[in-house]
Amino acid sequence: EAQVTQNPRYLITVTGKKLTVTCSQNMNHEYMSWYRQDPGLGLRQIYYSMNVEVTDKGDVPEGYKVSRKEKRNFPLILESPSPNQTSLYFCASSPRASEYNEQFFGPGTRLTVL
Amino acid sequence: DAKTTQPNSMESNEEEPVHLPCNHSTISGTDYIHWYRQLPSQGPEYVIHGLTSNVNNRMASLAIAEDRKSSTLILHRATLRDAAVYYCILRRLGAKLTFGTGTQLKVEL
Repeated sequence: EAQVTQNPRYLITVTGKKLTVTCSQNMNHEYMSWYRQDPGLGLRQIYYSMNVEVTDKGDVPEGYKVSRKEKRNFPLILESPSPNQTSLYFCASSPRASEYNEQFFGPGTRLTVL
Repeated sequence: DAKTTQPNSMESNEEEPVHLPCNHSTISGTDYIHWYRQLPSQGPEYVIHGLTSNVNNRMASLAIAEDRKSSTLILHRATLRDAAVYYCILRRLGAKLTFGTGTQLKVEL
């Protein structure tokens, strides 16, 4: 089944403890992206990747890192999480970075930073 | 990115058609009109997209005004499973999706 998977789905952690949220897609997509969703602010893009080894900042990149070593994986790294990073995170992928391709979203990761 | 305006919420009865409006008066000639929806506790899901002509797929229809300053997503027979937040998004060159606050659709028996 074609899909985007994220792990973990739920995570509670403490301030400053490094964590990684994994994202994987099995559709051979070139484009991948991370979003966060907060009440009243909607979904906002954190980082995106046009292809392997090519990444760039989205609208809210502060406090996050990403890497794209393989086409299928696009992990989101929080080196020193803070409470304002408590949010619902979505990974998405698309065949290419074009304005007419549909994006496929993962199921989401709910992160709480205490 | 060009801005879209949608009603905050709409209600419909099950098995009736639903017309979800979107205004995008500052749309440019190369902007594609996309619709996504987000069911409770799920990630956004692609619904449909178009550029100038009306579009149909298995989920919905998209009617685009002749001047492209507005569009309407049409669900032909709403079901309880269609209750979701519907987002109208304009996309230019590149893949970035800029989500607004969308329209919360409530479907009642």
